[in-house]
Amino acid sequence: DAGVIQSPRHEVTEMGQEVTLRCKPISGHNSLFWYRQTMMRGLELLIYFNNNVPIDDSGMPEDRFSAKMPNASFSTLKIQPSEPRDSAVYFCASSLEVAGNQPQHFGDGTRLSIL
Amino acid sequence: KQEVTQIPAALSVPEGENLVLNCSFTDSAIYNLQWFRQDPGKGLTSLLLIQSSQREQTSGRLNASLDKSSGRSTLYIAASQPGDSATYLCVLPSGGSNYKLTFGKGTLLTVNP
Repeated sequence: DAGVIQSPRHEVTEMGQEVTLRCKPISGHNSLFWYRQTMMRGLELLIYFNNNVPIDDSGMPEDRFSAKMPNASFSTLKIQPSEPRDSAVYFCASSLEVAGNQPQHFGDGTRLSIL
Repeated sequence: KQEVTQIPAALSVPEGENLVLNCSFTDSAIYNLQWFRQDPGKGLTSLLLIQSSQREQTSGRLNASLDKSSGRSTLYIAASQPGDSATYLCVLPSGGSNYKLTFGKGTLLTVNP
């Protein structure tokens, strides 16, 4: 079975540019999560979708960050405008359901560098 | 606020040894506890999930235990192999949530051939 697929794997761009990260969850999973991992702060939950609806976006750092899930098989995380402090590894994860305590399955992440 | 502590931060063992990784947490009102491994440049791979009503889970050479009353979990790896080298993370839901996870800082395990 295909796991969670993220693209691109690496992104290097200049400050001020728009960045779009993409995620395809595991088919049949109805919960999707975006995380950010840095050395200083570890893994942080940015936003959680259930059945394509954003349930908790309290972790989104500021208005420059936005996330969408137009359908059950695709989600994007957008940063506009990007800043050097946004440099991190961004992970997408999905799970079968949250209420049933199912494990979250992670993609390989997008390593983002903002120059 | 849930706090997760993992000891040791790093561990180096020769191949074939049995080993134990430790995790402690402050809030015992949890739905479950997960152990993940993370390989360099990769995402997290779920190894074991223990429901709050369970005491342990086993998968192959891995055994995870959960003692909610003392706020502790251990991950036991039997007959370690070089392929087990990775960072192991203890992860729990926090703040009464069943989706908002708190991650330990991990134990970096190196198994030497």
